[in-house]
Amino acid sequence: DVKVTQSSRYLVKRTGEKVFLECVQDMDHENMFWYRQDPGLGLRLIYFSYDVKMKEKGDIPEGYSVSREKKERFSLILESASTNQTSMYLCASSSLASSSYNEQFFGPGTRLTVL
Amino acid sequence: GEDVEQSLFLSVREGDSSVINCTYTDSSSTYLYWYKQEPGAGLQLLTYIFSNMDMKQDQRLTVLLNKKDKHLSLRIADTQTGDSAIYFCAESILEYGNKLVFGAGTILRVKS
Repeated sequence: DVKVTQSSRYLVKRTGEKVFLECVQDMDHENMFWYRQDPGLGLRLIYFSYDVKMKEKGDIPEGYSVSREKKERFSLILESASTNQTSMYLCASSSLASSSYNEQFFGPGTRLTVL
Repeated sequence: GEDVEQSLFLSVREGDSSVINCTYTDSSSTYLYWYKQEPGAGLQLLTYIFSNMDMKQDQRLTVLLNKKDKHLSLRIADTQTGDSAIYFCAESILEYGNKLVFGAGTILRVKS
């Protein structure tokens, strides 16, 4: 059974703290993604990575950074958390295989609250 | 730019059909998708359609694609209470890693 796991389901942090959100996939996928989900806005892409040590900015990268040191792990970092980063964060992965329809597999999400 | 729009809320009675609509802007999309999110969970792919198809049927699900109008719809026949969820329309953009652009999601509420 394919799996994308995220380190925490719920997280509460204080303004100014450095926050790490971890994501691990066991499908040997090349691509990994970080989204945030807000009501009425859907999913917005923060960063994605198509290979180890590679990263690309998505639509809303400001205030975030990422790290991909190993193929299976993609970390999202909030250098100095702010209240407007309170959100649901979803990690996803997909394969580069040309025969696939590029399905993205999602983790269960981390609900982050910044006080 | 890329944009995907869908209505935010739909309420139906159990046993009725549900139709969720979506419009997208990028004519180069190769695939269009419907993802389902149940409460407290991540998204799961429900179905997808290749851009050169008009229709795809999968059990209770029918996807219609009007490429000229850039309109996608999802019909759920005989809607059940277990179908209550948020449904996201998404289009695939041909960039690194095949980025997906998602709509805001349609909350489907099924009344028994």
